[in-house]
Amino acid sequence: SQQGEEDPQALSIQEGENATMNCSYKTSINNLQWYRQNSGRGLVHLILIRSNEREKHSGRLRVTLDTSKKSSSLLITASRAADTASYFCATEGQAGTALIFGKGTTLSVSS
Amino acid sequence: NAGVTQTPKFRVLKTGQSMTLLCAQDMNHEYMYWYRQDPGMGLRLIHYSVGEGTTAKGEVPDGYNVSRLKKQNFLLGLESAAPSQTSVYFCASSGQGTYSPLHFGNGTRLTVT
Repeated sequence: SQQGEEDPQALSIQEGENATMNCSYKTSINNLQWYRQNSGRGLVHLILIRSNEREKHSGRLRVTLDTSKKSSSLLITASRAADTASYFCATEGQAGTALIFGKGTTLSVSS
Repeated sequence: NAGVTQTPKFRVLKTGQSMTLLCAQDMNHEYMYWYRQDPGMGLRLIHYSVGEGTTAKGEVPDGYNVSRLKKQNFLLGLESAAPSQTSVYFCASSGQGTYSPLHFGNGTRLTVT
């Protein structure tokens, strides 16, 4: 069964707006990662946040982690058309098991 | 620097046929993985390997076998293909350690008729 669940399933915004995607998971984790997938391509790693971290930034990306609520959010600021893609969260359990992915959020940014 | 390379990119099989998907990585990574991606299901882990000569089952291992005879290669086999195995298959690799991100190939699109 899948560990992470992203919300919303699909998101449509205009260029320049911010996009927020959420991820909820079920069991304790070592870390949570976000990946991006362009149509017809493999996934690309965006950012990793450890279980003892609450917030992390990378360029226009901001990730938060709330372990008490078992949830994370990915914020993309000032979205561009090139940000159009599917975004997945993935969690690694405390036993060091392989990454388990959620079903993804499809982001569409129109110019 | 090729990263993770998957062959073939596309394949059509008839029910009952067999095939092997090849994944090769040139990053000297210890860990390798096979995922399948289906519409509305996200990525699901089939099998993975934590080093040469080792393999382990993931979430959906039935109907698949794997081998890791060389560190840089991870093979996924379908002995008797079924229509339910129509999917896009992704291979990934990562370094050793808890905080190593995955590097993905560009996928193999398999159709079983």
